Amino acid sequence: EAAVTQSPRSKVAVTGGKVTLSCHQTNNHDYMYWYRQDTGHGLRLIHYSYVADSTEKGDIPDGYKASRPSQENFSLILELASLSQTAVYFCASRGTGGMDTQYFGPGTRLLVL
Amino acid sequence: GEQVEQLPSILRVQEGSSASINCTYENSASNYFPWYKQEPGENPKLIIDIRSNMERKQTQGLIVLLDKKAKRFSLHITDTQPGDSAMYFCAASGATNTGKLTFGDGTVLTVKP
Repeated sequence: EAAVTQSPRSKVAVTGGKVTLSCHQTNNHDYMYWYRQDTGHGLRLIHYSYVADSTEKGDIPDGYKASRPSQENFSLILELASLSQTAVYFCASRGTGGMDTQYFGPGTRLLVL
Repeated sequence: GEQVEQLPSILRVQEGSSASINCTYENSASNYFPWYKQEPGENPKLIIDIRSNMERKQTQGLIVLLDKKAKRFSLHITDTQPGDSAMYFCAASGATNTGKLTFGDGTVLTVKP
């Protein structure tokens, strides 16, 4: 199975602080995604990227930035963390050429105080 | 965009019986419908998927049905076991190549011994 790793696995941040979540994949996948999951709910797409040095807005991009410095790495940046951004964040990657399956990383549990 | 509604939100069944989860979507151009299983504290894992050129797919005790006219798809778990207890998510992906997934809010399945 495709390998996607995330760091940190958990983080406590202060309101107004900057938070960077990192994702790394070793599968040579073109597409990478950032989702957030709130307790008891489904995943919602924040940002995605299909090539290095380019990112696209997902369904809930406000308050988040993304960076794709290389094919393998995709970061999610919270410039001014807020209480409402407390959630679990999942990164995923997907190949192309009819390969639809998204493979998810283990998640990062973020608590903003 | 896309909207996916998933029902029921909670499902309790007896071991050995079947469990069914239903999802509806809005965008008639959606063409890929995966189902994910998520255990507590874990990441979502793909269990079965179906593309819009199919009406039925079956694998290892799982059946997924797709009714494009009604914009409805469903997951059926046959002969449920306690190990099937988890959160299940349906999702839909639009016709673009981005692979963006819109998730339902999930179903908590409990299989009683």
